[in-house]
Amino acid sequence: DIQMTQSPPSLSASLGDKVTITCQASQNINKYIAWYQQKPGKAPRLLIRYTSTLESGTPSRFSGSGSGRDYSFSISNVESEDIASYYCLQYVNLPYTFGAGTKLELK
Amino acid sequence: EVQLVESGGGLVQPGRSLKLSCAASGFTFSNYYMAWVRQAPTKGLEWVASITNSGGSTYYRDSVKGRFTISRDNAKSTLYLQMDSLRSEDTATYYCTRVTTVAYYFDYWGQGVMVTVSS
Repeated sequence: DIQMTQSPPSLSASLGDKVTITCQASQNINKYIAWYQQKPGKAPRLLIRYTSTLESGTPSRFSGSGSGRDYSFSISNVESEDIASYYCLQYVNLPYTFGAGTKLELK
Repeated sequence: EVQLVESGGGLVQPGRSLKLSCAASGFTFSNYYMAWVRQAPTKGLEWVASITNSGGSTYYRDSVKGRFTISRDNAKSTLYLQMDSLRSEDTATYYCTRVTTVAYYFDYWGQGVMVTVSS
């Protein structure tokens, strides 16, 4: 199974900050990584697919990059509506595996 | 508008069975692979099972193989998850998800249904 090591587990930011979350795969995942946002009591929402392609409706302050085993997800100019947990997902091989998540809180 | 609505969750004793359903609308159900993803309380996300658009092939995580069965009825636009021999570690919110046609990530999610396995 491919392990996805996501960090940090939690993040504290002020409005307007830029924050970055990383996911490292246990093997090359050929850019097959997606990023999800989950607010408390809600289903996850797909933000980014194939490393850096924004889904329709995803604000441009969200971005993704990476290759091989190492990937990152950033939010520039954090807004209050961005307070949530974020998860990466590798979908190159079964079993599809998620990172453990990053909880973004307001400082 | 794509909608996925799960039902069938609840409290069940260890060793017993439960069947989840997911009613899909807003897209041509028979064109898409579907999957179940779960989330234990205060924990992360975990893929459980997937099924091809025809239902001809199914895939499971090791911990549920032989106990869970994913199936679908394309005429009813409904996805199912039959869960047998339930264990406490199966306690989670179960999400029905649509799998994209171009790759295998999950693009739409239902609101989730809670399954609690406890005596």
